[in-house]
Amino acid sequence: GAGVSQSPSNKVTEKGKDVELRCDPISGHTALYWYRQSLGQGLEFLIYFQGNSAPDKSGLPSDRFSAERTGGSVSTLTIQRTQQEDSAVYLCASSEDIGKNIQYFGAGTRLSVL
Amino acid sequence: GEDVEQSLFLSVREGDSSVINCTYTDSSSTYLYWYKQEPGAGLQLLTYIFSNMDMKQDQRLTVLLNKKDKHLSLRIADTQTGDSAIYFCAERADSWGKLQFGAGTQVVVTP
Repeated sequence: GAGVSQSPSNKVTEKGKDVELRCDPISGHTALYWYRQSLGQGLEFLIYFQGNSAPDKSGLPSDRFSAERTGGSVSTLTIQRTQQEDSAVYLCASSEDIGKNIQYFGAGTRLSVL
Repeated sequence: GEDVEQSLFLSVREGDSSVINCTYTDSSSTYLYWYKQEPGAGLQLLTYIFSNMDMKQDQRLTVLLNKKDKHLSLRIADTQTGDSAIYFCAERADSWGKLQFGAGTQVVVTP
């Protein structure tokens, strides 16, 4: 597609449920990043993919968070047993060239845990 | 605390220049970026600067980099109401390209 696409755009869930967030990067972009933006905060790095592998998972806040990427394209971020503190906007970005690393962002998924 | 620091709020009159300031801590950062976020939208890259440059100009935008002081600024000339948004400064944090963002500066343009 023309840009980074994320779905759903909004997700409301109950505490304790699992959620899956999807990211479709720009075609041909090998690098993919997940960030979390909490209300009034900057962006917090979660995980980075180069192709299908994740060299850097250092930002995942707990073992309830996991992510995968298949076919070097679509990525899914899964949050198990959601907690209220997981409420945030989850942003995905992709990059063609790790040199300059110009990251193009999707519009994000707004997750609300009740 | 944040490795990248920005002031939280800036109010500017339409037609005036805006200057948004940022300080970073990693002297080895190779690239520094400015992103804009409008309500309900993702981040839009405005401009970036390589660390061996002091200044970069792109239409109404001017980026100044002071490596000695680890200080980055974004000047917007002739600020318009459409420039109202949150502006994020970011530094490239590692070889994988992870970006370290500031908390963002809310810019409000008044008529």
